[in-house]
Amino acid sequence: SAVISQKPSRDICQRGTSLTIQCQVDSQVTMMFWYRQQPGQSLTLIATANQGSEATYESGFVIDKFPISRPNLTFSTLTVSNMSPEDSSIYLCSLLRVAGGGDTQYFGPGTRLTVL
Amino acid sequence: AQSVTQLGSHVSVSEGALVLLRCNYSSSVPPYLFWYVQYPNQGLQLLLKYTTGATLVKGINGFEAEFKKSETSFHLTKPSAHMSDAAEYFCAVRLNTGNQFYFGTGTSLTVIP
Repeated sequence: SAVISQKPSRDICQRGTSLTIQCQVDSQVTMMFWYRQQPGQSLTLIATANQGSEATYESGFVIDKFPISRPNLTFSTLTVSNMSPEDSSIYLCSLLRVAGGGDTQYFGPGTRLTVL
Repeated sequence: AQSVTQLGSHVSVSEGALVLLRCNYSSSVPPYLFWYVQYPNQGLQLLLKYTTGATLVKGINGFEAEFKKSETSFHLTKPSAHMSDAAEYFCAVRLNTGNQFYFGTGTSLTVIP
């Protein structure tokens, strides 16, 4: 398993502001990810956070809106910039733990964001 | 592109009854298969996974799932539902090449006392 913490656990923000979410994991991992889970929906991958290089974004997500940092192998941040009510979601970080015969993804507890 | 289908966005069972949550995937090769559970206001927790070997996989909290290649299915079951099982359940697949996980749309399980 894995121990993953996220801060803040929830926040209520005003339109036009930005929020940075932190993700801390208990051991060094190569691959970390950021997901969005909109109300009543499944998970959508935003990007892969690469240590020492720029994040790799999925279609529909751009760095200007969701800048990501990965300064080391146990920490990453996701910023939601210039927020609008449509950004209200749960944001989840995850890591991929490599194990012979089946790498497994573990998730943090999530950050519940409400944009007014 | 890969897809994961969870039949039934909402399932209700009585306490003590059988739980059956369905998951089908589209893949030309057997993928790695996962079930995650999300309790209210929490993140996702791994319930169980299938990689290789025995097709019947046992997970936490009394859940198990069976990989059926001929049916491209990985249905989740539990013989006797408990009130604490009420949660959202997500099926996910990952090909044995690459790191992308594909998630189903989730099934909300309600347990009726």
